[in-house]
Amino acid sequence: AQTVTQSQPEMSVQEAETVTLSCTYDTSESDYYLFWYKQPPSRQMILVIRQEAYKQQNATENRFSVNFQKAAKSFSLKISDSQLGDAAMYFCAYRSPLTQGGSEKLVFGKGMKLTVNP
Amino acid sequence: NAGVTQTPKFRILKIGQSMTLQCTQDMNHNYMYWYRQDPGMGLKLIYYSVGAGITDKGEVPNGYNVSRSTTEDFPLRLELAAPSQTSVYFCASSYPGRLGNTIYFGEGSWLTVV
Repeated sequence: AQTVTQSQPEMSVQEAETVTLSCTYDTSESDYYLFWYKQPPSRQMILVIRQEAYKQQNATENRFSVNFQKAAKSFSLKISDSQLGDAAMYFCAYRSPLTQGGSEKLVFGKGMKLTVNP
Repeated sequence: NAGVTQTPKFRILKIGQSMTLQCTQDMNHNYMYWYRQDPGMGLKLIYYSVGAGITDKGEVPNGYNVSRSTTEDFPLRLELAAPSQTSVYFCASSYPGRLGNTIYFGEGSWLTVV
């Protein structure tokens, strides 16, 4: 079974600075998807960025980018120019590709709380 | 754009009571899911469905039941509520396939069992 590990329960960053959130995963599959979700105090789950394992290029979405190291099974999220609105819980998630009878289920890490200091 | 809608948003149950969390999506997604999130933890899959009439257990199905009579609706039934079921419940949906594989979440339902 796949597992996702976020080893840092909490981090803080100064507004306008850059922070990197770490995530490692364990799988025997060669094709899969990785996601970072943001959960603000409202508890809504918001997709931040996703990465397809077959793509070597790291995904980027505005101030958010990932460092995907497939051999090391590492998937870190970098937030540039941190803003107060970035403060939230961040979850790393893994999903297997669609297989016969499969369901595209997400496996989540335990999350990491990011505080942004003004 | 309604997306995934869950009701109720908040509910307090007494031990032994039963209730149904409603979930509906208007995106014509085949796949639907129920997750629970305990304090300080990530989401764990309770049940999922790959289409109308098809459901299957996830990681933590005990104490719950689901049905999927239509593409749009995926209710979660709690039978004989227990304090261990105090949690935030998220319904989600997705459309299968390499490109349409983003999972959309509802806003969550806070359930307290006392």
